[in-house]
Amino acid sequence: DTGVSQDPRHKITKRGQNVTFRCDPISEHNRLYWYRQTLGQGPEFLTYFQNEAQLEKSRLLSDRFSAERPKGSFSTLEIQRTEQGDSAMYLCASSSLNRGDYEQYFGPGTRLTVT
Amino acid sequence: GQQVMQIPQYQHVQEGEDFTTYCNSSTTLSNIQWYKQRPGGHPVFLIQLVKSGEVKKQKRLTFQFGEAKKNSSLHITATQTTDVGTYFCAGERGSTLGRLYFGRGTQLTVWP
Repeated sequence: DTGVSQDPRHKITKRGQNVTFRCDPISEHNRLYWYRQTLGQGPEFLTYFQNEAQLEKSRLLSDRFSAERPKGSFSTLEIQRTEQGDSAMYLCASSSLNRGDYEQYFGPGTRLTVT
Repeated sequence: GQQVMQIPQYQHVQEGEDFTTYCNSSTTLSNIQWYKQRPGGHPVFLIQLVKSGEVKKQKRLTFQFGEAKKNSSLHITATQTTDVGTYFCAGERGSTLGRLYFGRGTQLTVWP
């Protein structure tokens, strides 16, 4: 499977705990995006990387959220001191600018439930 | 909050009827993309429109980008049960290229 993969697919955690999600983009894609989606809403932009550089971060993203893409390949999204409002589907997507192709390919998502 | 407005939120049609969803932005977009998300699935890219007034067709789907590059529409002719899902528009602005602003989506239900 050469698509975008995310791990884990589901995560249940208690309020106050830290969680980390991983995204593996399509191998030749240089851009990687993180979104959050709640029921009945469209994906909400969190941040994106071009290679290893984090180019933009949403103002909606509190200091509890951090993302990395150390080698320009996979990425991690960490949420510290989780709150119930963090419960959502976290989607990762990747794209390639090299071909002038702006299509974003989404992974299956990580569903986070904070109890 | 949502930077791109999309209506209607829900649409229920009988198979064979047409369907249209509309997308509107308060600011000019550099391009607009459309995605489809099946129940339990993830968004899947359908098309990108870049030029003012552009119209593109994919079989029964027709996509339009407004002259002012602030609005767009997706029209499906003669819906089929396989069209079920949520359709999202997503706009990109020149000042924040790479960042997509998604609409809330239109959830389409088709009954046989």
